[in-house]
Amino acid sequence: AQKITQTQPGMFVQEKEAVTLDCTYDTSDPSYGLFWYKQPSSGEMIFLIYQGSYDQQNATEGRYSLNFQKARKSANLVISASQLGDSAMYFCAMRDNYGQNFVFGPGTRLSVLP
Amino acid sequence: GAVVSQHPSWVICKSGTSVKIECRSLDFQATTMFWYRQFPKQSLMLMATSNEGSKATYEQGVEKDKFLINHASLTLSTLTVTSAHPEDSSFYICSARDGTPKGTQYFGPGTRLLVL
Repeated sequence: AQKITQTQPGMFVQEKEAVTLDCTYDTSDPSYGLFWYKQPSSGEMIFLIYQGSYDQQNATEGRYSLNFQKARKSANLVISASQLGDSAMYFCAMRDNYGQNFVFGPGTRLSVLP
Repeated sequence: GAVVSQHPSWVICKSGTSVKIECRSLDFQATTMFWYRQFPKQSLMLMATSNEGSKATYEQGVEKDKFLINHASLTLSTLTVTSAHPEDSSFYICSARDGTPKGTQYFGPGTRLLVL
């Protein structure tokens, strides 16, 4: 069965600094996709970044990048130059190649300090 | 990115009444939509997968007669909480899967349900 682990319930970062949010996963499928979502206090889930298991390069989207280490089964999210608006819950999710469903991690609450 | 709307955003109802929540994909067709439930400070819990033109697939432990799902078109799925009770109070959020190989799910803004 697939599983996502996010070991950091909460993280603090100073404004303008970079922060890494950890995500490890477990799957026996050779092909899968990894996603990160941001959930601010309003509740909406905002798609941030995607990494395919066969992608050769780490995904980047603006200030977001994904540190994908396939052998370690980790897909950490790196946010550069943190902003106050980055304060939110962050969820890592995985979809296998055959299924449609996502498996979500428990989330990490990020607080950006001024 | 793709836009998904959800209506209503807030609903307060009396115990025993039914509540319908709509989920629409605004700028793409979604053959598959998902309904999640989220308790405070917890992750999303998948309730059911909604496929256009066929019956929804419910996750284990989710009562299909309690949570009725209809996916009548490629842009609309509805969740009806029948005979709502206070324990059904929660945050319900839908998503729509895009048609790309990535299978990215785009989420609606969610519906907060309070049953008195």
